[in-house]
Amino acid sequence: GAGVSQSPRYKVAKRGQDVALRCDPISGHVSLFWYQQALGQGPEFLTYFQNEAQLDKSGLPSDRFFAERPEGSVSTLKIQRTQQEDSAVYLCASRGTTRGEQFFGPGTRLTVL
Amino acid sequence: QKEVEQDPGPLSVPEGAIVSLNCTYSNSAFQYFMWYRQYSRKGPELLMYTYSSGNKEDGRFTAQVDKSSKYISLFIRDSQPSDSATYLCAMSASGGSYIPTFGRGTSLIVHP
Repeated sequence: GAGVSQSPRYKVAKRGQDVALRCDPISGHVSLFWYQQALGQGPEFLTYFQNEAQLDKSGLPSDRFFAERPEGSVSTLKIQRTQQEDSAVYLCASRGTTRGEQFFGPGTRLTVL
Repeated sequence: QKEVEQDPGPLSVPEGAIVSLNCTYSNSAFQYFMWYRQYSRKGPELLMYTYSSGNKEDGRFTAQVDKSSKYISLFIRDSQPSDSATYLCAMSASGGSYIPTFGRGTSLIVHP
């Protein structure tokens, strides 16, 4: 596809449920990033992949958050036992060869009731 | 104090005005500077990308970086109602993963 796609666009979960959010990066982009964006705030870094290797997961807020990119393309962010504070927009971005230049998907808006 | 500071606004201007959006930062290692535009319920869209200091112009948009002052700006000329959005600055250091740090965004409203 032409850009980064994410699914689902909206997700409502009951507290305690597990959720899985998907990201399809731009074809050929080696680097993939996940961010969390709270209302009225900028994106906050969660984790970074280069191909299938997860090189940085320092932004994951707890061990309930897990991300994978097994074949170096599509990535999944999983949140176990969701809590109300997990409610946010989860953004995925991919990057080609230009350092620092990222392209974002539309995000998944997660609401935990 | 956050690494990147950005006034959240809102900034309200009349159509046709010149808009100035700014960020300050504290990390002298930042070398790559970006501006993103984010419409409501959309993902950020890359507008301008600059390496190190200087100016860069693209149509109605001009990005300026002053590393000595740790200050970056985005100017929008002849602003249009369609420019109404949140503008996010972002910056990253050389080496490593080039993971950007974002400001919180400035909400811009251009009224007809």
